Amino acid sequence: QSVLTQPPSVSAAPGQKVTISCSGSSSNIGYNYVSWYQQLPGTAPKLLIYDTNERPSGIPDRFSGSKSGTSATLGITGLQTGDEADYYCGTWDSSLSAGVFGGGTKLTVL
Amino acid sequence: EVQLVESGGGLVQPGGSLRLSCAASGFTFSGYEMNWVRQAPGKGLEWVSYISNSGSTIYYADSVKGRFTISRDNAKNSLYLQMNSLRAEDTAVYYCARDPPDRGPVGTYIDFWGQGTLVTVSS
Repeated sequence: QSVLTQPPSVSAAPGQKVTISCSGSSSNIGYNYVSWYQQLPGTAPKLLIYDTNERPSGIPDRFSGSKSGTSATLGITGLQTGDEADYYCGTWDSSLSAGVFGGGTKLTVL
Repeated sequence: EVQLVESGGGLVQPGGSLRLSCAASGFTFSGYEMNWVRQAPGKGLEWVSYISNSGSTIYYADSVKGRFTISRDNAKNSLYLQMNSLRAEDTAVYYCARDPPDRGPVGTYIDFWGQGTLVTVSS
């Protein structure tokens, strides 16, 4: 059981937009920055979003992050087949004094 | 080029021990906080442990506290994870993962991941 809750799967057609939610609590998302990671099949995760809504260099602006209260959202526009992957949210939990991740969301581009 | 190369994984019996290593290159290792993150087969990511750049601040997940020990040798650009009293549920790919500098654990995020090393705990 993950501390952060994500939907197990989402899907959308190429060119469309999708959002992935990440729900937490006041001790994690409600208090700290959120990061998002993309894991393509058989590879290590890669940083997509940090500090809730910042993109590292090289990450296209099709990817965006936001937060409201104790929930965060990853948005992906202009979906491509290459975006099919597992997506994870992460943050620090100040009550647990531990890093925490969501359970992951599998994105299917139909 | 930033590189994190894990080693030391393998098959171990329940109750056994294993020491993972992570060799860092392409950046000033002593300036970065580091983590171990694991992923059980077909499952999601699980944060395991954090160590500050000097090694003075350390945190563990409850699931490994008292059994695992994180350490680092900045002179050797290396991160370690000593795993004792291993259980079947510790079976996973273990990733060495770098935090950006000067953030501390509260502001943490992982900006670079190694490719991982597989640990299998089975009799």
